[in-house]
Amino acid sequence: QVQLQESGPGLVKPSETLSLTCTVSGGPIRSSSHYWGWIRQPPGKGPEWIGNIYHSGPTYYNPSLKSRVTVSVDTSTNQFSLKMYSVSARDTAIYYCARHIHTGSWPVDNWGQGILVTVSS
Amino acid sequence: QSALTQPASVSGSPGQSITISCTGSSRDVGGYKYVAWYQQHPGKAPKVVIFDVSERPSGVPDRFSGSKSGNVASLTISGLQAEDEADYYCSSYTSINTLLFGGGTKLTVL
Repeated sequence: QVQLQESGPGLVKPSETLSLTCTVSGGPIRSSSHYWGWIRQPPGKGPEWIGNIYHSGPTYYNPSLKSRVTVSVDTSTNQFSLKMYSVSARDTAIYYCARHIHTGSWPVDNWGQGILVTVSS
Repeated sequence: QSALTQPASVSGSPGQSITISCTGSSRDVGGYKYVAWYQQHPGKAPKVVIFDVSERPSGVPDRFSGSKSGNVASLTISGLQAEDEADYYCSSYTSINTLLFGGGTKLTVL
């Protein structure tokens, strides 16, 4: 059974870079049936899609975050990563790594447990 | 791009049916058969209950069904059960290769 696990700091200072890694276990990240991505959810609010990547490289980003975000994949370690630059308090949220099925609505069929990232000095 | 529009709350009694709407535009909900619905219990990650408008993942009860008309997608839960009480979110693929979520609907089972 495939499992996803986020790792990274839970506290980031304003204007700095948020870096998270998702380790995929129990199955290959090099899957033709899936995209890999990041979704965040501020406390008490709805989810916000950040971006997706396919194992062979095409990436897709939320236009409102595109200028500050990079999603990358490392097939050798079965991990994918998120970097968000110049963060502010508005970026405080639970960050989930996610596996999307490669079909029209990109449904997420597997979620990490989520990591709360707080942006504060 | 603005979030998809959902009612803030709906409620129903056990055994009844409820419907949650999700309103978008021709650039997302109305343009494709690519809407998904998620159920989220407190402190848990969301769980997909419907994808591609009306497809149900294995393991999801057939009490959950989805449909779409124009720019409005709908999730119907029939035979309400206490465990259905949760937050529900819609999402849609968009014309610019992105994913858009709704603001969420809190379902209360009376």
